[in-house]
Amino acid sequence: DAGVIQSPRHEVTEMGQEVTLRCKPISGHNSLFWYRQTMMRGLELLIYFNNNVPIDDSGMPEDRFSAKMPNASFSTLKIQPSEPRDSAVYFCASSLRAGEETQYFGPGTRLLVL
Amino acid sequence: AQSVTQLDSHVSVSEGTPVLLRCNYSSSYSPSLFWYVQHPNKGLQLLLKYTSAATLVKGINGFEAEFKKSETSFHLTKPSAHMSDAAEYFCVVSNQGGKLIFGQGTELSVKP
Repeated sequence: DAGVIQSPRHEVTEMGQEVTLRCKPISGHNSLFWYRQTMMRGLELLIYFNNNVPIDDSGMPEDRFSAKMPNASFSTLKIQPSEPRDSAVYFCASSLRAGEETQYFGPGTRLLVL
Repeated sequence: AQSVTQLDSHVSVSEGTPVLLRCNYSSSYSPSLFWYVQHPNKGLQLLLKYTSAATLVKGINGFEAEFKKSETSFHLTKPSAHMSDAAEYFCVVSNQGGKLIFGQGTELSVKP
């Protein structure tokens, strides 16, 4: 298996632009998680899905952030408009099923907003 | 509520010497605990997982961790450090809904 796939791996954009991060979970996994990692705040869970349905988005920082999972093999995290404080590494992870605790992480997308 | 505290933000050892990365947890029920490793510019990789079976858990790359309920600890150890072990290590506890709560991380440096 190829593992969790994220794209792009690096993104540099200017403040105010829309940013879309993409994730393909491991085939057969039914839960998907989006995390953000910064030096100041460490790893934070932003949102997670079970069977393509958003379950908990309490970690989404504000309305500029949105996430979708249109099918079992694809999810997006969108920031519109982006701000310099959104600069971070964004990780996607998947697990086999709801409540299954072992999560498998993608390589991350390193976002820099100028 | 569940939480984890990694007691050291940075640990430095010499190659070939033992590694000890300390983690204390807080949980209102019998927790599931994990150690993940993150090499520079990489994603997180699962090292090992405790789920109330054996208290001594063996993981990949020679790492192991011991669950001690009386001390609410889950320290990570390795008998002999290798240069390739240099990375950031995260102690993690899971809540009942399957959400992971991460510690702040311990950066391990290995000197030749």
